[in-house]
Amino acid sequence: NAGVMQNPRHLVRRRGQEARLRCSPMKGHSHVYWYRQLPEEGLKFMVYLQKENIIDESGMPKERFSAEFPKEGPSILRIQQVVRGDSAAYFCASSPLAIGTDTQYFGPGTRLTVL
Amino acid sequence: SQQGEEDPQALSIQEGENATMNCSYKTSINNLQWYRQNSGRGLVHLILIRSNEREKHSGRLRVTLDTSKKSSSLLITASRAADTASYFCATVSPSGNTGKLIFGQGTTLQVKP
Repeated sequence: NAGVMQNPRHLVRRRGQEARLRCSPMKGHSHVYWYRQLPEEGLKFMVYLQKENIIDESGMPKERFSAEFPKEGPSILRIQQVVRGDSAAYFCASSPLAIGTDTQYFGPGTRLTVL
Repeated sequence: SQQGEEDPQALSIQEGENATMNCSYKTSINNLQWYRQNSGRGLVHLILIRSNEREKHSGRLRVTLDTSKKSSSLLITASRAADTASYFCATVSPSGNTGKLIFGQGTTLQVKP
């Protein structure tokens, strides 16, 4: 059973470009979480999705950021018109349940660098 | 805002010694979890302790939870060089049923061989 997969592992974008980060949850997991980690800091929750539904996006910036988890395919975190402050590691986690008692399994992360 | 605060921010010990890291949080919780992150890598789940539990063990790890003080500690006994990593506590709220994790700032542990 493969773990959570994220790609690309490293992504370099120039200011104003778009960044698309992909996350494939573990087999059998239908709940996906995205977190952002700035250098030397802990992870901060961004969004929680189930298949075709955004359940909690309270941690998402109001503009330029969007997320989806389609019926088929990976979850996508999309950042439009990137700025230098978007440079961070973005982690995806999945779990089979979302009632707060289940472990979340983290992917290796995508490290975004905005030039 | 972040839920947890951890101390110390950095800890350096010799191999074989015990390492203790503390985490404080602000609001009520469903459970508290500890994760390890090796440099430049993803997070690895270590242990979960529920709000009605006071202590839990897993191998060389011992976690305590004091809900009256809103604090938790992670003890790593007989440390090894391979334990060198950052350690994060994360809490889950009892409300909302989203299961999202609220992380502390982390403790960076260095175990010298």
